[in-house]
Amino acid sequence: GAGVSQSPSNKVTEKGKDVELRCDPISGHTALYWYRQRLGQGLEFLIYFQGNSAPDKSGLPSDRFSAERTGESVSTLTIQRTQQEDSAVYLCASSHTQGIYNSPLHFGNGTRLTVT
Amino acid sequence: AQSVTQLDSQVPVFEEAPVELRCNYSSSVSVYLFWYVQYPNQGLQLLLKYLSGSTLVKGINGFEAEFNKSQTSFHLRKPSVHISDTAEYFCAVSEVDTGRRALTFGSGTRLQVQP
Repeated sequence: GAGVSQSPSNKVTEKGKDVELRCDPISGHTALYWYRQRLGQGLEFLIYFQGNSAPDKSGLPSDRFSAERTGESVSTLTIQRTQQEDSAVYLCASSHTQGIYNSPLHFGNGTRLTVT
Repeated sequence: AQSVTQLDSQVPVFEEAPVELRCNYSSSVSVYLFWYVQYPNQGLQLLLKYLSGSTLVKGINGFEAEFNKSQTSFHLRKPSVHISDTAEYFCAVSEVDTGRRALTFGSGTRLQVQP
């Protein structure tokens, strides 16, 4: 596709429910990143994929958060037993190579998650 | 660990006026520096980056930024802004030579260009 696609664009869920967020990266991009942005704050790194392996999961805030990627394509971020503090915009980005220095990140428009 | 501070959450400016968006960082290792821009209803896109060499880097749409190592700053400037520059601007850093791929972002500065 033309860019990074994320779905849904908005998600409202009740506290305690599980949610799944989807990211379709740009075709051919081997690297994929998840970030989240809470209101009024900067982007927080969550996890990085190179292909379908995740060499850096250091940003996942708790074991309620998990992510997977099939091949060098779609990634899903799953949040179990959602809490109100999980409310944020979840952003996905992809890049052409491992090196973010020479290959810029291309971001999707994000999924706005609201936990009531 | 690194951190990025963007002191100004909002910067209002009149069209054709100059603008400077401030960014300061702290890090225990050398860093690469980036500015990303998010136009309304669009995803973030790279505006410019500093990897090495000349400390003055030029980006798209007439923006430039200067890396100042002693002041740990990477301020973004434009001599004359347009209405179309209205957007949110994010400063970001990444570690050099550690293998860590994650970017650390600031909280963003909303630039509002008024006619």
